Amino acid sequence: QSVLTQPPSVSAAPGQRVTIYCSGSNSNLGNNYVSWYQQVPGKAPKLLIYDNNQRPSGIPDRFSGSRSGTSATLGITALQTGDEANYYCGTWDSSLSAMVFGGGTKVTV
Amino acid sequence: QDQLVQSGGGVVQPGRSLRLSCAASGFTFSSFGMHWVRQTPDKGLEGVAVIWFDGSIKYHAQSLEGRFTITRDNSKKTLYLQMNRVRAEDTAVYYCARERGDGKYHGMDVWGQGTTVTVSS
Repeated sequence: QSVLTQPPSVSAAPGQRVTIYCSGSNSNLGNNYVSWYQQVPGKAPKLLIYDNNQRPSGIPDRFSGSRSGTSATLGITALQTGDEANYYCGTWDSSLSAMVFGGGTKVTV
Repeated sequence: QDQLVQSGGGVVQPGRSLRLSCAASGFTFSSFGMHWVRQTPDKGLEGVAVIWFDGSIKYHAQSLEGRFTITRDNSKKTLYLQMNRVRAEDTAVYYCARERGDGKYHGMDVWGQGTTVTVSS
C-alpha cells in the first residue's frame, strides 16, 4: 500500500476535464510541497507540477495543481489522447524522512 | 540539455552487492539535491534515498534497513547508489532524479532513463 492515496483510474472524453485526488496526512501533504508526475509505460516519470501548483517550463496550462490541508488535486482540462498515462503524486514525509508517492491513477481518454 | 545517464544495473544474486551510477551533464550538478527512486509493479514508486547538493545530508528509506548508501562525487558529476546484501524484494527499475532545489523537496525535474536490477539466484 502506498503512503498517499489516489484513485486507480479515471476516464473522460477528449476535450473534457478530469481531476485526480491525492490524500495523505499531516506528516506528508499537510506540511510539505506536493508534486505531480506523468508516466507512460516504459518511460521515466515526467514532472508536471511542483511546489503544489507550479508548472515547469514546457508544461501546458491545461495541467494545474492545488493543495489544501492533507489533500492535493491535479486537474487536466481539454483532454487529449496524448494525455493517456499514469499520474502520480509525490511529497516528502517528515516522519519517515523519505519521499512518498501515491499508487498512481491511470487516465483514459 | 540537462541529462542524467544511468549505468550499473543487471542481475545479481541474493546477498551480493551492486553499485548504480548516474552521470549528469548540461547543468551544475553540485547545486542540486539528487534522489534515487525505484519502481515495481506491486509497490509502485518508492523513494529510496536523497542527498543534499553538497553531500552533507542524506536520507535513506527505513525499509532498506541500512543496506543501501547514496553518495555523490561532484567533481565527477556523478551520483551513486551502493546496494549491499540485496534481497529479492529489491528487484525493481531504479531511477536517479534531480531535485529542483538543493535538497529540501520541491519536485524531481530531470530523470535518468532507469536501470533494471533483478535479484535472483
